[in-house]
Amino acid sequence: GQQLNQSPQSMFIQEGEDVSMNCTSSSIFNTWLWYKQDPGEGPVLLIALYKAGELTSNGRLTAQFGITRKDSFLNISASIPSDVGIYFCAGRITGTASKLTFGTGTRLQVTL
Amino acid sequence: EAQVTQNPRYLITVTGKKLTVTCSQNMNHEYMSWYRQDPGLGLRQIYYSMNVEVTDKGDVPEGYKVSRKEKRNFPLILESPSPNQTSLYFCASGPGQGYEQYFGPGTRLTVT
Repeated sequence: GQQLNQSPQSMFIQEGEDVSMNCTSSSIFNTWLWYKQDPGEGPVLLIALYKAGELTSNGRLTAQFGITRKDSFLNISASIPSDVGIYFCAGRITGTASKLTFGTGTRLQVTL
Repeated sequence: EAQVTQNPRYLITVTGKKLTVTCSQNMNHEYMSWYRQDPGLGLRQIYYSMNVEVTDKGDVPEGYKVSRKEKRNFPLILESPSPNQTSLYFCASGPGQGYEQYFGPGTRLTVT
């Protein structure tokens, strides 16, 4: 199946720094979801977005549904060691209600 | 606690020996789905179900069967497992086909 382009693939940051990552596609989406996955565990839903331009926060996390409906962004403010993990975006292309398309993941590592 | 459970979490088996991985959710969700996750390939959908007795193929259905006799359960059946089905499997559920999905903890399957 099609995958979303997610960047960066990996990043090292210092504790306390802000983090930004994004997903882009050539297709138009009507849903964007952001997940975090720890090694050997299932993805945990962080934020769900359903409208173009929507900006939603969950604690230190903020995600936006791009106005073109072809992209989404996730920001993490003031990173802490437990933010380490892999972050996935997932989206639902307009007209494919039953299917999620997943990004390739951003591996986040935090140094003290 | 609202959750998706999977059993077993780890399974080592031999080629051709039928197995079933169970999935159960306690959130009264209509939609359920199975994914496999492989390095470099990301999450790929195997089968999904939009309601009781309604199932459909995802991107990689070959070698798998599912059933949805009750709303809360969605077992994945491998009639004759082969080594190329060695993978990390996730069950997910959601309130409907157009909404977010919640993932189980995963089942790591090794077929020798």
